[in-house]
Amino acid sequence: SQKIEQNSEALNIQEGKTATLTCNYTNYSPAYLQWYRQDPGRGPVFLLLIRENEKEKRKERLKVTFDTTLKQSLFHITASQPADSATYLCALDRSYNTDKLIFGTGTRLQVFP
Amino acid sequence: EPEVTQTPSHQVTQMGQEVILRCVPISNHLYFYWYRQILGQKVEFLVSFYNNEISEKSEIFDDQFSVERPDGSNFTLKIRSTKLEDSAMYFCASSLEAEQFFGPGTRLTVL
Repeated sequence: SQKIEQNSEALNIQEGKTATLTCNYTNYSPAYLQWYRQDPGRGPVFLLLIRENEKEKRKERLKVTFDTTLKQSLFHITASQPADSATYLCALDRSYNTDKLIFGTGTRLQVFP
Repeated sequence: EPEVTQTPSHQVTQMGQEVILRCVPISNHLYFYWYRQILGQKVEFLVSFYNNEISEKSEIFDDQFSVERPDGSNFTLKIRSTKLEDSAMYFCASSLEAEQFFGPGTRLTVL
């Protein structure tokens, strides 16, 4: 079955720096790889999606890369702010039909002033 | 901006009791999901629903679980006889395309 690993349970960085979060998966390459943000006690919030034939996607201060050879996605937050502190979840979508998401355990990001 | 809503926000029940968790998905969405998250663990898929029937279910979604879309707006998850290990946050989600929109969740506590 598909396994997803996200780097380190927690990542602490200083405000203004770039945060880089890693998502590694085993087995098949998904049709889509998605990133969500989750605040304590709340539901996941969609941030970005990247398709298997795309290498990079950007949205404002966010950037996602996807390397199907390495079976890895990197999620970058540039010019990080304390308000970016949250848990970030990587999720795989195996097919182009709207489908269940398989989530990683998440990386908790803490941005301190 | 449209959002997914869920009620109640917190449900406390005794082991063996039935619970119904309710969700109102985004109105023009076609795909509906239930996920759960045990405290400190990852978000896990339970079931997906499309065109008034279950399209996929996980191993967790056994005979004690059922889903229903009784009218054009609500989407419910029923647990017939709750167990202690059913204690978790339950999230409803809906989608029109690949990105899914999650509700705020119902915290279920089974005593």
